[in-house]
Amino acid sequence: EPEVTQTPSHQVTQMGQEVILRCVPISNHLYFYWYRQILGQKVEFLVSFYNNEISEKSEIFDDQFSVERPDGSNFTLKIRSTKLEDSAMYFCASSDVAGTDTQYFGPGTRLTVL
Amino acid sequence: QKEVEQNSGPLSVPEGAIASLNCTYSDRGSQSFFWYRQYSGKSPELIMSIYSNGDKEDGRFTAQLNKASQYVSLLIRDSQPSDSATYLCAVFGSGNTGKLIFGQGTTLQVKP
Repeated sequence: EPEVTQTPSHQVTQMGQEVILRCVPISNHLYFYWYRQILGQKVEFLVSFYNNEISEKSEIFDDQFSVERPDGSNFTLKIRSTKLEDSAMYFCASSDVAGTDTQYFGPGTRLTVL
Repeated sequence: QKEVEQNSGPLSVPEGAIASLNCTYSDRGSQSFFWYRQYSGKSPELIMSIYSNGDKEDGRFTAQLNKASQYVSLLIRDSQPSDSATYLCAVFGSGNTGKLIFGQGTTLQVKP
């Protein structure tokens, strides 16, 4: 069964460093998303991406965040200068159609900022 | 601000019982509703989607939607210890961009 994959599973970084979280969405999906979940809190939407453009971004997704689809398979989330409060689980998801279709989540990357 | 509300629990039921999980949402225009299961430290896993008023059954799971009351629920019949997890209710935001808005989740404990 096709699945979303994410690497690394755990990333530890120093405050102020740049990190890139990688995702490989399900191959025939066209819509891609990033969510994050701070420990003990709800899953929060960060950004949706379609046709090489951001469709919507949340207030969390400020200038420190960027997304890219560098090739036909990968979808990345970059945090330019990490803060302590960026420590969270980051989930990538993909879907075939936006707005109505099921989103399938990857296993997540646990980001720890020291 | 669109909201999805769930009782955080924990909801504790004995093995074999019916677990009832509830969710309310604020946007009367919401059309698509999802229940995800999340084990500790893992990612959300889709259980059910529901789009129309009424009941939708899939195995031991039944989702119920009442748009007039802005209420969606999940029933788990014959609960098993392996059902112990956090259950997340989610709805799509407006704008057709696929943004999912999640509730806080209800923690279910099924006791053998």
